[in-house]
Amino acid sequence: SQQGEEDPQALSIQEGENATMNCSYKTSINNLQWYRQNSGRGLVHLILIRSNEREKHSGRLRVTLDTSKKSSSLLITASRAADTASYFCATDGGSGAGSYQLTFGKGTKLSVIP
Amino acid sequence: DAGVIQSPRHEVTEMGQEVTLRCKPISGHNSLFWYRQTMMRGLELLIYFNNNVPIDDSGMPEDRFSAKMPNAAFSTLKIQPSEPRDSAVYFCASSLGEGVQPQHFGDGTRLSIL
Repeated sequence: SQQGEEDPQALSIQEGENATMNCSYKTSINNLQWYRQNSGRGLVHLILIRSNEREKHSGRLRVTLDTSKKSSSLLITASRAADTASYFCATDGGSGAGSYQLTFGKGTKLSVIP
Repeated sequence: DAGVIQSPRHEVTEMGQEVTLRCKPISGHNSLFWYRQTMMRGLELLIYFNNNVPIDDSGMPEDRFSAKMPNAAFSTLKIQPSEPRDSAVYFCASSLGEGVQPQHFGDGTRLSIL
């Protein structure tokens, strides 16, 4: 089954810097989603980008999607200590799998140092 | 607006005991998902309900696991008998509409089987 894989596994930056996380996947998709998980909490949906979109913004978040390379990136600008969390990409099944199913990567653990 | 509510937040029990995890989805959401999260395997889909009907239970690891959704406001995941390898964080998530939509997660149940 296809699966998003995030890179790097862990990232540590200073407050105010930008953070970039990447996601690669294996087969065609209809859309890709990014989620955040704070320690001890559930996942929170951040942004959804469709396969016919190349870039999407939401506040300090910018997501890009390159379907030819089967990759996506999540950029967090002007990071804050509160952005410390794990970030996951999730891909749908494309044309093959169940239309409801998301497959999650293992995540990037971001630490923002005040 | 209340999010997805899971109980208990933590459960510690001895091997062989029955464990019941509970979930109240967001009102009006018609899709419900149970996931298991471990360090080794990441986030795995166990079962998916749509309009209270189990659609895909292929992720349920063994017959020891069972899930029910008697009405739109309540779902349970039961493990009987429990084993140490079932130790994980179990999440419930709900979403609205058909196809792949943003999912709203509860804060999970951290299960430890001794």
